[in-house]
Amino acid sequence: EAGVAQSPRYKIIEKRQSVAFWCNPISGHATLYWYQQILGQGPKLLIQFQNNGVVDDSQLPKDRFSAERLKGVDSTLKIQPAKLEDSAVYLCASSSGLAISEQFFGPGTRLTVL
Amino acid sequence: EDQVTQSPEALRLQEGESSSLNCSYTVSGLRGLFWYRQDPGKGPEFLFTLYSAGEEKEKERLKATLTKKESFLHITAPKPEDSATYLCAVQPIQDFNKFYFGSGTKLNVKP
Repeated sequence: EAGVAQSPRYKIIEKRQSVAFWCNPISGHATLYWYQQILGQGPKLLIQFQNNGVVDDSQLPKDRFSAERLKGVDSTLKIQPAKLEDSAVYLCASSSGLAISEQFFGPGTRLTVL
Repeated sequence: EDQVTQSPEALRLQEGESSSLNCSYTVSGLRGLFWYRQDPGKGPEFLFTLYSAGEEKEKERLKATLTKKESFLHITAPKPEDSATYLCAVQPIQDFNKFYFGSGTKLNVKP
């Protein structure tokens, strides 16, 4: 079974620029999560989708971050404009259903904002 | 406020030297507690879920236990390939859409 795919793996941008990350979850997984992991910290949940609907986005900085999951499969996370403090690894995870404990994580996208 | 605290931050063991990692949490009601392993440059890999105090789960050299306020990950006779960061996460019963991760324990097992 193919795992969670993410791209790009690395991205370097200047502050105030825009960036987008893409995630393809495990086939059939209805629930998709985006996490931000700052160096030395644990992942922080940004947004959770069930199919193509948002379940929780309470920790998403909505003034600059946006996410969508068209057709309930792939998802994109966008930052516009980026700040220095957005430098982190952005992880995508999926699970077979809401509140299912086993989440499968992708390799992440490492973002550096200069 | 901190929901999950892991200790120690880093642990260095000799191969075969058993030890335990700690995860304490402050959520008032726990739906589930999870352990993940994270290797450098990779996403976390699921290990265990624990739901109630007294529950134990085992996998190879790892055993996870749960009390009302903390969980332990016991590593018996570790090998160098067990070197990784071990993350703990909690899911509150009042809002089971939330998952709060600790900062992890970085384990280094030397041959």
